[in-house]
Amino acid sequence: NAGVTQTPKFRVLKTGQSMTLLCAQDMNHEYMYWYRQDPGMGLRLIHYSVGEGTTAKGEVPDGYNVSRLKKQNFLLGLESAAPSQTSVYFCASRFVRNTGELFFGEGSRLTVL
Amino acid sequence: AQSVTQLGSHVSVSEGALVLLRCNYSSSVPPYLFWYVQYPNQGLQLLLKYTSAATLVKGINGFEAEFKKSETSFHLTKPSAHMSDAAEYFCAVSESGGSGNTGKLIFGQGTTLQVKP
Repeated sequence: NAGVTQTPKFRVLKTGQSMTLLCAQDMNHEYMYWYRQDPGMGLRLIHYSVGEGTTAKGEVPDGYNVSRLKKQNFLLGLESAAPSQTSVYFCASRFVRNTGELFFGEGSRLTVL
Repeated sequence: AQSVTQLGSHVSVSEGALVLLRCNYSSSVPPYLFWYVQYPNQGLQLLLKYTSAATLVKGINGFEAEFKKSETSFHLTKPSAHMSDAAEYFCAVSESGGSGNTGKLIFGQGTTLQVKP
């Protein structure tokens, strides 16, 4: 049972470079989310999607873009990486009709030099 | 707007001692409340959840939490700590079900639990 899979798990970028994080879930979940985790700040929502073809901004969306072209995939893009985007990124998903539980991937650690 | 405050970024207990991790929330609508655990270099795993049924919720690994509306609290407890409980714990809140509910979770800052032998 794969659940929620994130790739890559580790990446080092230089300032100004671009990259895409891929999240794939095999549970047929409608909702998907991208969070970032920083020490002492918990997890903060970047963007989310309530269905294929839809996206919405979360708490800290600046500097990120997302796409949900397929129901099972949710991509997070950094067009021009900045050191402030050094973080651990988590993808999560859930069904529409449940009591709010999110299922998380194992995280992607990104370092921007 | 919803928010979560976890009191104490670090909690240290001896093995076998009571574990108490504090969480207070703010929500203008009936909330759903969650505790997640994160072991080093891993994702978040659900410990337990409150979804407006019983106010005392039992979770995995011997943890439980009590929803107290009057105190807007959802503290996590375990009677006897084990070395394997050392991890980071997150409290989270979301809006309860209904049309327009996007299921977003708002997380607290996290509490690192250290268990001493």
